[in-house]
Amino acid sequence: KAGVTQTPRYLIKTRGQQVTLSCSPISGHRSVSWYQQTPGQGLQFLFEYFSETQRNKGNFPGRFSGRQFSNSRSEMNVSTLELGDSALYLCASSLEVFGVGGYTFGSGTRLTVV
Amino acid sequence: AQKVTQAQTEISVVEKEDVTLDCVYETRDTTYYLFWYKQPPSGELVFLIRRNSFDEQNEISGRYSWNFQKSTSSFNFTITASQVVDSAVYFCALSENTGNQFYFGTGTSLTVIP
Repeated sequence: KAGVTQTPRYLIKTRGQQVTLSCSPISGHRSVSWYQQTPGQGLQFLFEYFSETQRNKGNFPGRFSGRQFSNSRSEMNVSTLELGDSALYLCASSLEVFGVGGYTFGSGTRLTVV
Repeated sequence: AQKVTQAQTEISVVEKEDVTLDCVYETRDTTYYLFWYKQPPSGELVFLIRRNSFDEQNEISGRYSWNFQKSTSSFNFTITASQVVDSAVYFCALSENTGNQFYFGTGTSLTVIP
């Protein structure tokens, strides 16, 4: 059974650019959540999608957006990148919403903004 | 106020010692879920256990055991006879029904010294 796949693994972008990260959940999982992990702030919830609908959103500016496709694959977009957006972005899928069944995480995308 | 508090930032133990990782949570919900995740150096968060608020039975899985006490709002994790492979950051997490939120603690970095 394939795990959660995130692409790319590493990204280097320049301030002001935009970036799109991709996540393919475990087959059969309809919930996909995104987290930002930084040394200073720890794991912070970005948003969750379930059956193509955003179910919940964390406390991030509108530059952070996402979507989910009919096959449950999800993308996260960050526009007008700032240095502070440098982080490990983790995608997690689960059978149930809000991760109550337990998340399966991907390996993450390491984004560096220079 | 932190929803999930992991007061131990870093712990070092010598191999074969037992170690307990503390987790204190805060919620007004009567139905909620508690989790532990492990993040090894590779970066991928690994789901270890889920408990719901109605099940206070302690659980043992091999060298791992969990002690859930609602009276003290704690969900502690003990590793018996620690091994070098246990070295990782361990996160405690809470999922609430109200507000549909999922909260991670700040993590405890465990180093097992050979």
